[in-house]
Amino acid sequence: EAGVAQSPRYKIIEKRQSVAFWCNPISGHATLYWYQQILGQGPKLLIQFQNNGVVDDSQLPKDRFSAERLKGVDSTLKIQPAKLEDSAVYLCASSLDLRGTEAFFGQGTRLTVV
Amino acid sequence: AQSVTQLDSQVPVFEEAPVELRCNYSSSVSVYLFWYVQYPNQGLQLLLKYLSGSTLVKGINGFEAEFNKSQTSFHLRKPSVHISDTAEYFCAVTSYNQGGKLIFGQGTELSVKP
Repeated sequence: EAGVAQSPRYKIIEKRQSVAFWCNPISGHATLYWYQQILGQGPKLLIQFQNNGVVDDSQLPKDRFSAERLKGVDSTLKIQPAKLEDSAVYLCASSLDLRGTEAFFGQGTRLTVV
Repeated sequence: AQSVTQLDSQVPVFEEAPVELRCNYSSSVSVYLFWYVQYPNQGLQLLLKYLSGSTLVKGINGFEAEFNKSQTSFHLRKPSVHISDTAEYFCAVTSYNQGGKLIFGQGTELSVKP
């Protein structure tokens, strides 16, 4: 079974530029999550989708971050414009449903804003 | 609101020694508990999980954890560590009514020395 795929693995941009991350969840997984992991901290949820609908985006800084999952499969997370404090690893995870019994994580995208 | 506290930020240990990584949680409802491992520049890999039933949970790579409801703890143990166990370990909590959203602790860096 293929795992959660993310790209790119690494990205370096200047502040005020824009960037986008892509995630392909495990086939058949209805629920998709984006987490932000700042160096030295545990991951924190940014946004959660169930199929193509948003379940929870309460922690997403909506003035600069946006995310979509238009066809209920792949998802894209965008930052525009980036700030220095956005430097982090962005992790995508997926699960079969909303029960919360297990989530599978991708390898993450490490973003450095200079 | 749920929260997780990992009591040790760093745990140095010699190879073949036993190790315990401590995790306490807070929740007003029944919980699901997880331990994830993160190797450098990698995503999160599930070590083990507690959903219900037996309070002693066995996971991959020889790790086990014990759910203690009265002490609100879920400590991770391994009787004999290897150099390859050197990594960051995260404890996480969710529950049936959280839609699978994980709340993570700050992480414990396990460093195994020869």
